[in-house]
Amino acid sequence: AQSVTQLDSQVPVFEEAPVELRCNYSSSVSVYLFWYVQYPNQGLQLLLKYLSGSTLVKGINGFEAEFNKSQTSFHLRKPSVHISDTAEYFCAVIRRGGTSYGKLTFGQGTILTVHP
Amino acid sequence: EAGVTQFPSHSVIEKGQTVTLRCDPISGHDNLYWYRRVMGKEIKFLLHFVKESKQDESGMPNNRFLAERTGGTYSTLKVQPAELEDSGVYFCASSQSHRFTYEQYFGPGTRLTVT
Repeated sequence: AQSVTQLDSQVPVFEEAPVELRCNYSSSVSVYLFWYVQYPNQGLQLLLKYLSGSTLVKGINGFEAEFNKSQTSFHLRKPSVHISDTAEYFCAVIRRGGTSYGKLTFGQGTILTVHP
Repeated sequence: EAGVTQFPSHSVIEKGQTVTLRCDPISGHDNLYWYRRVMGKEIKFLLHFVKESKQDESGMPNNRFLAERTGGTYSTLKVQPAELEDSGVYFCASSQSHRFTYEQYFGPGTRLTVT
């Protein structure tokens, strides 16, 4: 089984400051990793994913994340946030192999609030 | 291309009543998933359809929940009878089978409140 821990439930930050949202996972098998974002009154939208290759992945809206296998982490970063980045962010994993289009296992979510 | 749609957006029912949630996936997506988020908890997987067949229903909480996918198109999730602990946001997602991106596209969710 897999589990995902997002280390911060809420992250307040001022506009134009950098931000890091932390995610650790636990799994007995290899996984693919994802970050999703949910803006108010909308569905979840994929920010970025790590399937293989370079451990630094870039996503939409200037976000990036780095896969660290030894630390089983997949932290999300943005060098300068905007008010419009205020949303809830979810880290998630899918087990590699088996039913490859299978279920996502999510973390608890991190609410990012960007203040002017 | 239309996204994943869910109906209704909100539902308030009394304990013991029946509620049916509907999900329309993106056209051509064979995979359809249901997830649920109970307040204060993480989003949890309920089940996965491939076309009209249930691929994985390991997350269904109990036999009060019944999911169907008619003709491999839209899906319904029925809760009968509803209990207080069924309150939460129910998300539907869909994905393609022939693209190795593993991206699931989510609907806006149905907020279910059982009183």
